[in-house]
Amino acid sequence: RKEVEQDPGPFNVPEGATVAFNCTYSNSASQSFFWYRQDCRKEPKLLMSVYSSGNEDGRFTAQLNRASQYISLLIRDSKLSDSATYLCVVNGGGKLIFGQGTELSVKP
Amino acid sequence: DADVTQTPRNRITKTGKRIMLECSQTKGHDRMYWYRQDPGLGLRLIYYSFDVKDINKGEISDGYSVSRQAQAKFSLSLESAIPNQTALYFCATSLSEGFDTQYFGPGTRLTVL
Repeated sequence: RKEVEQDPGPFNVPEGATVAFNCTYSNSASQSFFWYRQDCRKEPKLLMSVYSSGNEDGRFTAQLNRASQYISLLIRDSKLSDSATYLCVVNGGGKLIFGQGTELSVKP
Repeated sequence: DADVTQTPRNRITKTGKRIMLECSQTKGHDRMYWYRQDPGLGLRLIYYSFDVKDINKGEISDGYSVSRQAQAKFSLSLESAIPNQTALYFCATSLSEGFDTQYFGPGTRLTVL
């Protein structure tokens, strides 16, 4: 089993749609969690950290369920500019473990 | 100017050649990392360094070596390149352990023929 698993997609959605990405992790001792965004063949950049209480940043909402070892990212009112690959990332022993990414394509 | 830079940005080489990828940062971070990215596999950690005197193997260190010349510089070497080392390589930095954020360089696209 991979340490961090994501649905690779691609997710093809129209502008304005709401889309949700899921991620599971295997190490129950993991302490910190993130979503990174990667545009085509460019470097990953931090989108948001994921807190136990859940957190929101504009149109983006992240949730963590420690009991189920599950992380989610919800994007509301999708924009064309949201098209990218979204990486679920878990801190394990001071190192980041990356999921393989979920590709999102937002169409006009 | 970019905080994390990588050279070269693109490189095509032949099997058996020695290749060095360089990473420099102006963020003042102690921690530096080398990753490779392959389609469908995500980013995998090759080596990491928590300070100048500390070097650690990552998930896929075989066939690679590193040198931390200074706080700001971390180089990755392929001693004898092989075709399955064709990938996109990223350098990253971070400030500290815990709830840290990693800052990535723009990547080096390496092709081994």
